[in-house]
This record gives sequence, structure tokens and C-alpha cells, in this order.
Amino acid sequence: AQSVTQLDSQVPVFEEAPVELRCNYSSSVSVYLFWYVQYPNQGLQLLLKYLSGSTLVKGINGFEAEFNKSQTSFHLRKPSVHISDTAEYFCAVIRADNYGQNFVFGPGTRLSVLP
Amino acid sequence: ETGVTQSPTHLIKTRGQQVTLRCSSQSGHNTVSWYQQALGQGPQFIFQYYREEENGRGNFPPRFSGLQFPNYSSELNVNALELDDSALYLCASSLPGRPNNEQFFGPGTRLTVL
Repeated sequence: AQSVTQLDSQVPVFEEAPVELRCNYSSSVSVYLFWYVQYPNQGLQLLLKYLSGSTLVKGINGFEAEFNKSQTSFHLRKPSVHISDTAEYFCAVIRADNYGQNFVFGPGTRLSVLP
Repeated sequence: ETGVTQSPTHLIKTRGQQVTLRCSSQSGHNTVSWYQQALGQGPQFIFQYYREEENGRGNFPPRFSGLQFPNYSSELNVNALELDDSALYLCASSLPGRPNNEQFFGPGTRLTVL
């Protein structure tokens, strides 16, 4: 089975400051990794994903994440946040084989960008 | 290309009642997954439907059931509602046989059980 840990339930940060949202996972098989964002009263929107290749992945809205296999981490970063980045962020994994059909999500990190 | 739509947006039920939630998949996608997102938690996988058959299930009791129709739309049915069933229910559609593909999520149905 897979599990995902997001160490910070809430992250407040001032506008234009950098931010890192942490994600660690556990799995006995290879997984693909994802970050989703959820704005208030909306569904989930894909920010970025890691399937293979370069461990540094760039996504939408200026976000990027780095896959670290030895530390089983996939931390999300943005060098300068905006008020509009205020949202809930979910890290997720899915098995990287034919048995992987559903995401396993972390509990989420609420990013609050302060003026 | 249309997105994933869900209805209704909000729903209030009382304990013991039954509820049906609906999802229309994105055009061309014939796999539909349902997730339950309780307040303050990440989404939890309920089940997946592919070509009108259940194709995997999470740790949810049998009172959670589903259907998928020939046009790939889907229903989630919950019987004997409990207070803990209060949550946002998300539907996601994806291309068949490619679990690593992007799943497109709908806006969700917020169910409140009183």
C-alpha cells in the first residue's frame, strides 16, 4: 500500500516570498507523483506530475517540484508567491504499474498568502 | 471538449436516507473514479468504473455503490446515510488503461448529513 505525508497542515507566507510545501511518501513499489491545487469551493486542478526523467519538474503558475527517491520526497516550491496562490495543496501518488488505478492523497497543506 | 460536471452542487440529507450523486465525464474518457473528501482531509478513493463495470474499490462499505452508463456518465449511490458521510464527493474521468494519465476532476458535490 502507499501512503502520503504532508508535514505542514498550514503554511502562512507573505506575498512575493518563497514557499516550500513538503511531501513524503511510502510505497513498496514504484510510484508516480503529483501535486494538485484546490481553490475554495472548487475541484482539484493538476499543478505538476513526475513520471520519469528529470527529477526537477516544472508546473503551472510558476510552481516546481523535485523528486528525491532516496528521501522519498516530492517537495513543491515557488520562488515568489501571489495572493492568488492561497489554496489547499495536495500531494498524491499512484502505482507506476498496471495495478495503479487510483490516487492516494496526502491530507493537504493550506497555503495562506498574506499581503 | 467539455469538462467534468457534477450534480447537484450541494445536498442536505438526514441520517438513514439514501442519496444519488451524478457525474458526466469529459468527452472521450470512459473511466470514472469517485473520491470522498471529508473536511480537512485529502480525497479518499471510493471506486472506479470502466466500461460500465466496477474496476476497483477502496475501503468503503457496500452501502456505497455506483453505476456507469453507456454514455460514460456515472452515479454514486449511498444508502443508510450516516453523519460521517458528510463530505465533498469528487468525480474524476480519465483515459482507459493509463493510470498515470491526468485525471480530470469535477467541482464536486457537497453532501451534508444531519
